[in-house]
Amino acid sequence: EAQVTQNPRYLITVTGKKLTVTCSQNMNHEYMSWYRQDPGLGLRQIYYSMNVEVTDKGDVPEGYKVSRKEKRNFPLILESPSPNQTSLYFCASSLFRDRDYEQYFGPGTRLTVT
Amino acid sequence: AQTVTQSQPEMSVQEAETVTLSCTYDTSESNYYLFWYKQPPSRQMILVIRQEAYKQQNATENRFSVNFQKAAKSFSLKISDSQLGDTAMYFCAFMMLDMRFGAGTRLTVKP
Repeated sequence: EAQVTQNPRYLITVTGKKLTVTCSQNMNHEYMSWYRQDPGLGLRQIYYSMNVEVTDKGDVPEGYKVSRKEKRNFPLILESPSPNQTSLYFCASSLFRDRDYEQYFGPGTRLTVT
Repeated sequence: AQTVTQSQPEMSVQEAETVTLSCTYDTSESNYYLFWYKQPPSRQMILVIRQEAYKQQNATENRFSVNFQKAAKSFSLKISDSQLGDTAMYFCAFMMLDMRFGAGTRLTVKP
């Protein structure tokens, strides 16, 4: 089954404790990205990656890191989480060529930072 | 930077009726892609319909259609014959290399 997977689905952590949210896709997609969703703000892009070793900042990159060492994986790293990073996070992927730009979303990760 | 505006935070419609959700965007570019995504209570993001800016013809997917006005930078979604399962948050999105979403419209379909 073609899908984007994220782990963990739910995470409660404390301020300053480094964490990683994994994202993997099995569709051989070139493009991957991370978003956060907050009430009244919609989804805001954190980082995106056009291909392996190529990443770019989105709208709200501060406090986040990403890496794209393999085509299928795109982990999101919070080196020192703070309460304002409490949010719902989505990973997404897209073929991004041949006029196929649809983003396929993972199920989301609910992160709470206390 | 591109911005996407959805001016209707909440809307409601009777089952079987038609409803239109508004979306405007701001860009100086000519080639881009527009999307409507649906987010039901499960939180899963589901693509409803897409539109390439270079295409003048409005996209249609079954009961869903768009009114794409490129000069006016408007991209509204029309849902015909509304069903209870259409109850969800609807997000308009603009994409070039990065992707921008509107704040969303919460649609409730009433029986």
